[in-house]
Amino acid sequence: GAVVSQHPSRVICKSGTSVKIECRSLDFQATTMFWYRQFPKQSLMLMATSNEGSKATYEQGVEKDKFLINHASLTLSTLTVTSAHPEDSSFYICSARDPKGYNSPLHFGNGTRLTVT
Amino acid sequence: AQSVTQPDIHITVSEGASLELRCNYSYGATPYLFWYVQSPGQGLQLLLKYFSGDTLVQGIKGFEAEFKRSQSSFNLRKPSVHWSDAAEYFCAVGAADTGKLIFGQGTTLQVKP
Repeated sequence: GAVVSQHPSRVICKSGTSVKIECRSLDFQATTMFWYRQFPKQSLMLMATSNEGSKATYEQGVEKDKFLINHASLTLSTLTVTSAHPEDSSFYICSARDPKGYNSPLHFGNGTRLTVT
Repeated sequence: AQSVTQPDIHITVSEGASLELRCNYSYGATPYLFWYVQSPGQGLQLLLKYFSGDTLVQGIKGFEAEFKRSQSSFNLRKPSVHWSDAAEYFCAVGAADTGKLIFGQGTTLQVKP
């Protein structure tokens, strides 16, 4: 079945540095991918919609200059957390939908645990 | 406003007992409803989904859910819980054509031996 691969699964970085997270659709082409954020013991909150070949659409309250999204190909979207701070520590999850499957569900990556020290 | 509410933050059941996790939604259009399960530190796995048709939906791992429009509910059920079912469960509502989902707060399921 369709699989979404997310890398890295865990990353620790120092405050002020940038971190890039990759989301790949392995056996389908995804024109749209989604980035969610999950704080401990909380639900998933949609951060942005990543559109292949165009700018991402950010949800209200999400800083687009801090969370840079690039969707350069039909199988890869990247989320870069710039100038990371401890409050950016969270679980980030991407998802993608196979456009060929009518009413097909989203496929989620396994998430990236970001810890900013 | 669109929203999803899972009234139970934490539920504990004995292994072999039946389970029902509640989900209520508020959505302007015809809702597309989902239940996902998340193991600690992992991504989400789809248990089942409802788009249209039969309001009783069968999913993986023996789970089922019933869509009740009059109650704006989509409760998840399982007749006999296994220890491996212990996890976090999320109800979500959204538009299948866009892929954007609104998630509930989640329910943590603990299974007693």
